[in-house]
Amino acid sequence: AQSVTQLDSQVPVFEEAPVELRCNYSSSVSVYLFWYVQYPNQGLQLLLKYLSGSTLVKGINGFEAEFNKSQTSFHLRKPSVHISDTAEYFCAVKADSNYQLIWGAGTKLIIKP
Amino acid sequence: NAGVTQTPKFQVLKTGQSMTLQCAQDMNHEYMSWYRQDPGMGLRLIHYSVGAGITDQGEVPNGYNVSRSTTEDFPLRLLSAAPSQTSVYFCASSSQGGLTEAFFGQGTRLTVV
Repeated sequence: AQSVTQLDSQVPVFEEAPVELRCNYSSSVSVYLFWYVQYPNQGLQLLLKYLSGSTLVKGINGFEAEFNKSQTSFHLRKPSVHISDTAEYFCAVKADSNYQLIWGAGTKLIIKP
Repeated sequence: NAGVTQTPKFQVLKTGQSMTLQCAQDMNHEYMSWYRQDPGMGLRLIHYSVGAGITDQGEVPNGYNVSRSTTEDFPLRLLSAAPSQTSVYFCASSSQGGLTEAFFGQGTRLTVV
């Protein structure tokens, strides 16, 4: 079985500062990894995904994530955040042999002006 | 292109009442799923379907029923609403077993009093 841990429930950061949202997973099989974003009162949309190949993945809105197999991590980063990045961010994993996504509890990104 | 459409957006039910949350997608996706989102718990899978006529239980199926008579529609039925079912419900669809992006509806905010 797979599990996902998002280590921070909230991350406050000043506007134009860099940010890292942490995600660790556990699995005994190969996994695919995803980051989704949920803006207030909206559904979720895909930010980026890692399926195979380069461990550094670039997504929309200037976000990127790095897959680290040895540390079982998939941390999300942005070099300079904006007010519009205020949202909740979810990390998810999917086993190779399974349809289901397993979700982390989410991290709220709070941008301070 | 409508994507995933959920109705209603808001609903208040009395304990013991039944209702159906509607979900429709126009992308010909074979995989559809229902989640509930509660604060600090991420998304929990209720039921899912890998194609018309095929459904299966997720992590928290008790108190909910689903059916999949067509590729497009995947309604979620609450049989006898309980206050513990107060939550935000999301329907999602994807193709290729979830390796591609999962598309989410806007959500249904359900309150059971």
